[in-house]
Amino acid sequence: DTEVTQTPKHLVMGMTNKKSLKCEQHMGHRAMYWYKQKAKKPPELMFVYSYEKLSINESVPSRFSPECPNSSLLNLHLHALQPEDSALYLCASSPGTARQQLYEQYFGPGTRLTVT
Amino acid sequence: AQKVTQAQTEISVVEKEDVTLDCVYETRDTTYYLFWYKQPPSGELVFLIRRNSFDEQNEISGRYSWNFQKSTSSFNFTITASQVVDSAVYFCALSHLYNFNKFYFGSGTKLNVKP
Repeated sequence: DTEVTQTPKHLVMGMTNKKSLKCEQHMGHRAMYWYKQKAKKPPELMFVYSYEKLSINESVPSRFSPECPNSSLLNLHLHALQPEDSALYLCASSPGTARQQLYEQYFGPGTRLTVT
Repeated sequence: AQKVTQAQTEISVVEKEDVTLDCVYETRDTTYYLFWYKQPPSGELVFLIRRNSFDEQNEISGRYSWNFQKSTSSFNFTITASQVVDSAVYFCALSHLYNFNKFYFGSGTKLNVKP
């Protein structure tokens, strides 16, 4: 099973709403990632979790709050978003983070978020 | 500094034509990794290949082939006998061993394959 799943596929939310994006993988991967992708742009890294600990936060505004409840799950909590936060949010995972080996990342299908 | 340049914003070809997608990278590291990903309209990025800086052998996988040239800092991707299903945005990415969680993506090349 080389699948990363994300729910929901689409989300429309108002600027005062609180919502969460979910990501799940059952490949035994120990690193998980959140990316944001605007139209016609490459993905931008937001957060990296390694062994369920936050290892990279790319200066993301606090209205985005990641959470890694266990090694298979990754959440992104959203609160008080702005219209410019509308984008495709991609989750990815990779087997590990050993310094001697770099692994490819496997991506989920993404959640298309629209903030109104 | 790490940087990946995909100068071709969009390419259109007719089915069965061969097409090459260019990728040029910059890095001061001696150990690094290069990747190609495909993003069809559905949105999911599909991993195609990983290559480390010590392995300059070219690779062929079916209709896909990759040409890695350290001398020119390029990692080009060729699709032979293109098909409509190859239509997608293709991203080249770079990462290096000591910052392995961070991918530096190029801006992507949109490939349109027409029947």
